[in-house]
Amino acid sequence: AQKVTQAQTEISVVEKEDVTLDCVYETRDTTYYLFWYKQPPSGELVFLIRRNSFDEQNEISGRYSWNFQKSTSSFNFTITASQVVDSAVYFCALSEWATSGTYKYIFGTGTRLKVLA
Amino acid sequence: SQTIHQWPATLVQPVGSPLSLECTVEGTSNPNLYWYRQAAGRGLQLLFYSVGIGQISSEVPQNLSASRPQDRQFILSSKKLLLSDSGFYLCAWSGDSLGQPQHFGDGTRLSIL
Repeated sequence: AQKVTQAQTEISVVEKEDVTLDCVYETRDTTYYLFWYKQPPSGELVFLIRRNSFDEQNEISGRYSWNFQKSTSSFNFTITASQVVDSAVYFCALSEWATSGTYKYIFGTGTRLKVLA
Repeated sequence: SQTIHQWPATLVQPVGSPLSLECTVEGTSNPNLYWYRQAAGRGLQLLFYSVGIGQISSEVPQNLSASRPQDRQFILSSKKLLLSDSGFYLCAWSGDSLGQPQHFGDGTRLSIL
């Protein structure tokens, strides 16, 4: 069955520390997409990145980087030199075709990141 | 550019009262639309999704219903609210192909008294 696991419920770091948020997924499909979203205290979910199952290149965007490894079914997210503004809940999600002929998104339970000044 | 509007932002309702939450999308045609609920400190639970006008798929049985009367309008309703309906409700849209990210509204915080 399709599943996304974010085993870290909550992480606290001191500002300027690096932090990695783990995401492990399960899927039967060979074609799928993975996403990361940020949910700040205000509540809305903000799309951060998308990665398809055929592209295992790591990506870096400023202080953010993502490590996709199909061999371990993981899509981890690292924040370098964390800042207080990074405090939020981060969700990992998987998108794949559903039996109904459309596609569906499966979210992990989220990791709450607290960055302390 | 595409935008998604969701209202109201907060709502306090008594048990047994009706509910109507509305979501509209601008700047795109034939979006896929979604309603999620998030209990306090928890993950996202998909309630309904729609791939077109009048087409609603329900993910979990409950006393909520959804309707899509227009291409870019998605409504979440209930005839009688329960205490367990409290939560944070999020509307989202996506394009109609695999790999399209979802884009979320600002959410509605619903408290049932």
